[in-house]
Amino acid sequence: DQQVKQNSPSLSVQEGRISILNCDYTNSMFDYFLWYKKYPAEGPTFLISISSIKDKNEDGRFTVFLNKSAKHLSLHIVPSQPGDSAVYFCAARDTSGTYKYIFGTGTRLKVLA
Amino acid sequence: DAGVIQSPRHEVTEMGQEVTLRCKPISGHNSLFWYRQTMMRGLELLIYFNNNVPIDDSGMPEDRFSAKMPNASFSTLKIQPSEPRDSAVYFCASTVGTSLGEQFFGPGTRLTVL
Repeated sequence: DQQVKQNSPSLSVQEGRISILNCDYTNSMFDYFLWYKKYPAEGPTFLISISSIKDKNEDGRFTVFLNKSAKHLSLHIVPSQPGDSAVYFCAARDTSGTYKYIFGTGTRLKVLA
Repeated sequence: DAGVIQSPRHEVTEMGQEVTLRCKPISGHNSLFWYRQTMMRGLELLIYFNNNVPIDDSGMPEDRFSAKMPNASFSTLKIQPSEPRDSAVYFCASTVGTSLGEQFFGPGTRLTVL
């Protein structure tokens, strides 16, 4: 049973436009959320995080929004660049047990030049 | 600075054979994680160690999988016997502390079991 869901396997966006990647979770014991970016043949690299006590965190072109009541977070990339083309994973920290991270299935973003 | 090192990068083996994947975490990191990436399930945590001690192995699929961390700079993930459904990319990651904050991933081992 997938506790962290990324329902869009892929997304295509024109260069310069906004990319919005979504992530839903089911467990109210998740308290910290991260986004990772993965290029082919490489391991994921950390992009941005947000604590459950916040509803927004911004880092340059990347902003993560958290809606706790809806158990939903989103990553906004503005403006999108071709180098942003990658697979994006969201991850949630589960405080109900051993404080491990649960990852989603990923969304492949393609930014078209 | 060297990142997380994994070997081999690619492994092709036949069903029933033993497979051993290796990981060297970043020096100074005391938590190590093994993940498996598949299309259907994304990144699944298999096991994680803190200070060389297994903390959570609930993601280990079955008894065919085992992991060890004999010291702070080395860990292995073993599959014996391997099956075609084990084909996936296996990642090792490390971090400082128990779990809060980013994890640093290695490049992964792509395993193909024929």
